[in-house]
Amino acid sequence: NAGVTQTPKFRVLKTGQSMTLLCAQDMNHEYMYWYRQDPGMGLRLIHYSVGEGTTAKGEVPDGYNVSRLKKQNFLLGLESAAPSQTSVYFCSSGQETQYFGPGTRLLVL
Amino acid sequence: KNQVEQSPQSLIILEGKNCTLQCNYTVSPFSNLRWYKQDTGRGPVSLTIMTFSENTKSNGRYTATLDADTKQSSLHITASQLSDSASYICVVRVNAGNNRKLIWGLGTSLAVNP
Repeated sequence: NAGVTQTPKFRVLKTGQSMTLLCAQDMNHEYMYWYRQDPGMGLRLIHYSVGEGTTAKGEVPDGYNVSRLKKQNFLLGLESAAPSQTSVYFCSSGQETQYFGPGTRLLVL
Repeated sequence: KNQVEQSPQSLIILEGKNCTLQCNYTVSPFSNLRWYKQDTGRGPVSLTIMTFSENTKSNGRYTATLDADTKQSSLHITASQLSDSASYICVVRVNAGNNRKLIWGLGTSLAVNP
């Protein structure tokens, strides 16, 4: 039972490049979330999903897209990375109690 | 404006000592309050969740209290251990119809020294 896993763990991008962050959970949760965590700020919700095939915007969705084609996977895409997207990205699943992955550290140069 | 404020920002204690972390919130309508522990380089882990009617909830050496009248919560750590060194984050859920969101505090960074 791996819980919530995220890949990759760390990535360096150049401005304008694209990438996809993958989140997988094996707890059969309907709800999944993507957050970013920056120094001096609380976790901020980017997008979330309440079930397979559904997605919704959070607080800071601009510059990101998501997809939930399978219940266990939630993908976060950056189409054209910007330095402002340098952050630590966390995926979580669950409803009342959220279970978090280990995070992806992204540096955009 | 919905806000969650935590104090102190950081704290250093000796192993074996107790400590209390504070959380004040201005969130309405209130649904529940959670405390998370986040180790350096890892994702947050839930410690407790309390609803409006709950005053105290324990999880091992962690005891959370909630005063819904004054909109304050505390997290008390008993007999601290080195592994308690982490950031402790207070999170409040707003629940108003379709507006169900979490308001995250900035956390208290706790260092437990031998």
